[in-house]
Amino acid sequence: SQQGEEDPQALSIQEGENATMNCSYKTSINNLQWYRQNSGRGLVHLILIRSNEREKHSGRLRVTLDTSKKSSSLLITASRAADTASYFCATDARANAGKSTFGDGTTLTVKP
Amino acid sequence: EAQVTQNPRYLITVTGKKLTVTCSQNMNHEYMSWYRQDPGLGLRQIYYSMNVEVTDKGDVPEGYKVSRKEKRNFPLILESPSPNQTSLYFCASSIWGGNEQFFGPGTRLTVL
Repeated sequence: SQQGEEDPQALSIQEGENATMNCSYKTSINNLQWYRQNSGRGLVHLILIRSNEREKHSGRLRVTLDTSKKSSSLLITASRAADTASYFCATDARANAGKSTFGDGTTLTVKP
Repeated sequence: EAQVTQNPRYLITVTGKKLTVTCSQNMNHEYMSWYRQDPGLGLRQIYYSMNVEVTDKGDVPEGYKVSRKEKRNFPLILESPSPNQTSLYFCASSIWGGNEQFFGPGTRLTVL
């Protein structure tokens, strides 16, 4: 099974609301990354958080990492219709930096 | 423009007919990787390469081959495609393993 698992699978909110999605993983990691995908297109990198970091911000994005619980969350504040996309977490195992494991994703719909 | 290119973008073929999907990056990245994405699922790693002449299996390598003879190119070869290899394929590159990955636009493959 996939190392990264997102929760919820789907999320629908109104513009202006905040969206939170979670990711859990199983093994020790070097870092965790979040990506966005618009409808079958290539993934776009959002943010990377290293295993020794607990929180990171980038614009309207806030990512937290709890290595003791092997989980991460992505918060998008003041969401916009343009944020409608699928969001994936990806982990790089500590034992092998080249091996990337993606979760199944959270599909976010932001209604205008 | 810094980018990852894949060709072809769309391909319909028949079982057993060998095919190659090319991937090229112009960012002088050390790391390259191939993924497949199936409906409702995240990305699963097929093969990756940490550097020229170095390739390793991902989670789903069966039925695929790769080569990394030069830094910029990382072709994916299906020697004898089967219908279960019908999927959306993405190539990605990164300055090195475990860092932000840049994705190509995807190749939609149908094997009849």
